[in-house]
Amino acid sequence: QVQLVESGGGVVQPGRSLRLSCAASGFTFTSYAMHWVRQAPGKGLEWVAVISFSGTYKYYADSVKGRFSISRDSSKNSAYLQMNSLRPEDTAVYYCARERSSGWSIDYWGQGILVTVSS
Amino acid sequence: QSALTQPASVSGSPGQSITISCTGTSSDVGGYNYVSWYQQHPGKAPKLLIYDVSNRPSGVSNRFSGSKSGNTASLTISGLQAEDDADYYCSSYTSDSTLVFGGGTKLTVL
Repeated sequence: QVQLVESGGGVVQPGRSLRLSCAASGFTFTSYAMHWVRQAPGKGLEWVAVISFSGTYKYYADSVKGRFSISRDSSKNSAYLQMNSLRPEDTAVYYCARERSSGWSIDYWGQGILVTVSS
Repeated sequence: QSALTQPASVSGSPGQSITISCTGTSSDVGGYNYVSWYQQHPGKAPKLLIYDVSNRPSGVSNRFSGSKSGNTASLTISGLQAEDDADYYCSSYTSDSTLVFGGGTKLTVL
């Protein structure tokens, strides 16, 4: 069965960095694009970034462009989100998610991991 | 990358039908057939209900249906059940090669 497990969250001070990891299993990792989606406490879903199945293409939300970087490692069946220059407004549960075969819909989600940016 | 517009809340009684709208622009909802709908219960990850405007993944009840007209997509839930009480989000691919979500709709089953 498809599993996505996030790790690397926690409390970090404003301006610092954090790297989230997403371990994938139960499917052919190299065949699927991967997304990161976040949800601030009590708020709605916000798309963060996507990386194509090959890693060639990467796209970001304007709110994180230039600060966050998405990557993947097929040898480890993992996706990553490097978050730099963190701001209090980046506080959220971050979900790793798999895109369906096409169409930018997300068919599997991780359980989510909390990132808190606070001094 | 403005969020798609959804009503903040809707409600219905068991057995009734409700429709949730999702309004965007010609650069997202109106320009592509890549609208999806998700259900999220408190403390849980979202679940895909509809993809490509009107398609249901296997295992999703046929009480959920999707459609689109112009820049507005809609999710209809028929035969409301208590377990449908949840938050619902639409999303769409955009012309900037990004994904945008709606603000979410809280469905209350009375």
